[in-house]
Amino acid sequence: NAGVTQTPKFQVLKTGQSMTLQCAQDMNHEYMSWYRQDPGMGLRLIHYSVGAGITDQGEVPNGYNVSRSTTEDFPLRLLSAAPSQTSVYFCASSPFDLSGANVLTFGAGSRLTVL
Amino acid sequence: GNSVTQMEGPVTLSEEAFLTINCTYTATGYPSLFWYVQYPGEGLQLLLKATKADDKGSNKGFEATYRKETTSFHLEKGSVQVSDSAVYFCALSKTDSWGKLQFGAGTQVVVTP
Repeated sequence: NAGVTQTPKFQVLKTGQSMTLQCAQDMNHEYMSWYRQDPGMGLRLIHYSVGAGITDQGEVPNGYNVSRSTTEDFPLRLLSAAPSQTSVYFCASSPFDLSGANVLTFGAGSRLTVL
Repeated sequence: GNSVTQMEGPVTLSEEAFLTINCTYTATGYPSLFWYVQYPGEGLQLLLKATKADDKGSNKGFEATYRKETTSFHLEKGSVQVSDSAVYFCALSKTDSWGKLQFGAGTQVVVTP
C-alpha cells in the first residue's frame, strides 16, 4: 500500500502565484485533512473533509481552497501565495470514526517556500 | 477551546538515559490523547494513544498514562536509543470531531551515542 501520497515534495513560488498541492490515499479512508507545520507551533488544521463532496474549514483556512470530488483525492489550492504561507504541509487521512480515537495516516509532507 | 501544552526542546540525552516529555491538555469532556512521532524528513506517525482516563498507551518501549485528574499524558521511555531521535507531538481529539487533532508544539529529542 502506498498510504498517503503528497506531491510535490518541494516547491518555490513567488508572491501572488497560484499552485495546487496534491494528496491521494489508497486506503478508502473517508476522512482527509490538511495541516501546516510551523516552528514552535506544532501542526494546525487548514481544511478537512469527511467524504466526497463534503469539506469544512479548520483553524487556519484563509488563503487556501479545497475540494473533494473523489474518496481518494484531496488537493489543496493556494490562489495567490503569500510569504506567510511558507511552511511544511501535511495531508492526513483516517477511517470513519466518531469516537474521536481516529488514528491519522500522514503523508511525507510538502515543503513550500514563497518568496 | 482545546489546547495542548508540551515541554519545549530540544531535549538532549545520552543513549540508555531515561526520557520524559511532559504534556498537559485543556479540553471539556473526555478527549482521546495521542503521541505522534516525526523522524527526520518524514511525516508523522502514531506512537501510542489512550482513549479514557487511566488508560496506558505503549509502543516501542514508550509509555504514557491518561491522567484525568492532572489533565496530563506524559511520555516516558526507560532507555533511549540513537534511533529515538525525532520530534514528538502530543495531541488530542474530541468525540464527534471527525478526527480533527489539536497538536502541541512538538518536542525535539536528540540522543547521542
